[in-house]
Amino acid sequence: EAQVTQNPRYLITVTGKKLTVTCSQNMNHEYMSWYRQDPGLGLRQIYYSMNVEVTDKGDVPEGYKVSRKEKRNFPLILESPSPNQTSLYFCASRLAGLSTDTQYFGPGTRLTVL
Amino acid sequence: AQSVTQLDSHVSVSEGTPVLLRCNYSSSYSPSLFWYVQHPNKGLQLLLKYTSAATLVKGINGFEAEFKKSETSFHLTKPSAHMSDAAEYFCVVSERLLDKLIFGTGTRLQVFP
Repeated sequence: EAQVTQNPRYLITVTGKKLTVTCSQNMNHEYMSWYRQDPGLGLRQIYYSMNVEVTDKGDVPEGYKVSRKEKRNFPLILESPSPNQTSLYFCASRLAGLSTDTQYFGPGTRLTVL
Repeated sequence: AQSVTQLDSHVSVSEGTPVLLRCNYSSSYSPSLFWYVQHPNKGLQLLLKYTSAATLVKGINGFEAEFKKSETSFHLTKPSAHMSDAAEYFCVVSERLLDKLIFGTGTRLQVFP
């Protein structure tokens, strides 16, 4: 089954404790991205990757890092989480063509930073 | 720059009545537009998309949307609401130059029996 998976699905942590949210897709998609969803703000893009070893900032990259060492994986790293990073996070992937191509979303990771 | 405005943050309907979720867009180019649905505790699923072909786009689960350039609108409709339609709906425009999606703030649809 074609899918995007994220782990963990739920995470409660404390300020400053480094964490990684994993994202994996099995559709051989070149393009992957991370979004955060906050009430009343919709989804905002954090980082994206056009292919292996190619990443770039989205609209809200502060406090986040990413890496793309393999085509299928695109982990999101919070080196020193803060309470304002409490949010619902989505990973997504699509073919490298145009942004008009269908983007597939993971199930989401709900992060709470105390 | 492209943007999208969802005119209602909440919409409530009775089961069996029509659904209308409103979306206006702003674009310097001929836009590509999408509607995504998010059910509780689930990821986002594509309902339908418009990419400059037919202006009336049919999607999954009986939803459809009409692209109206003169009104810069892309409203989502369904003739008869079902309880399973209760979810959050996002109107999305494709930012062609930056090759990314711009999301609206979402409309939460409630369906009452």
